[in-house]
Amino acid sequence: DAGVTQSPTHLIKTRGQQVTLRCSPKSGHDTVSWYQQALGQGPQFIFQYYEEEERQRGNFPDRFSGHQFPNYSSELNVNALLLGDSALYLCASSLWMGGGYNEQFFGPGTRLTVL
Amino acid sequence: QKEVEQNSGPLSVPEGAIASLNCTYSDRGSQSFFWYRQYSGKSPELIMFIYSNGDKEDGRFTAQLNKASQYVSLLIRDSQPSDSATYLCAVNGPYGNKLVFGAGTILRVKS
Repeated sequence: DAGVTQSPTHLIKTRGQQVTLRCSPKSGHDTVSWYQQALGQGPQFIFQYYEEEERQRGNFPDRFSGHQFPNYSSELNVNALLLGDSALYLCASSLWMGGGYNEQFFGPGTRLTVL
Repeated sequence: QKEVEQNSGPLSVPEGAIASLNCTYSDRGSQSFFWYRQYSGKSPELIMFIYSNGDKEDGRFTAQLNKASQYVSLLIRDSQPSDSATYLCAVNGPYGNKLVFGAGTILRVKS
């Protein structure tokens, strides 16, 4: 049973550039959430996708956008990169459930460094 | 006030002892509570979840929830050096499915 996969593992970009991160959820899961984790902090929720629609969004600017494909995989796009966007980007996979009782499983993450 | 608060630690315990990790949350409507373990340079790994008041045991781990006090804890019995990691508390509210994380508690188990 394949777990959550993310690519690439590491990425180095310069300020102003754009980046695309990819995620494939765990087999049987239909919901993908994205989180940003800065050094020494807990993960911060960016947004969540289900049925190819953004269902919930955290406090992140419009530079952060996403997409979910029919096979449930997802992309996170960040435009006009800033130094402060340097972080570990985590994808979490889950089943869509009402009431908030969903266990989310994380992928290995993508380490983004902005120079 | 932060939504989810944890003592940053480090919490140091000797091998074989009980490690007690604590977390408080501000949203009284929160419905589900999760503990993740994160080794340095790795992603968070789900180790426990609890939805109802009381205790939930899984092997060496016990999660405790007190909704009236807005408090959740994780006990690790017979702590091992391999338990040394950062433990993240996460809370899910009644609307939507986003997890709100605390900053984590660093646990060090000394042999």
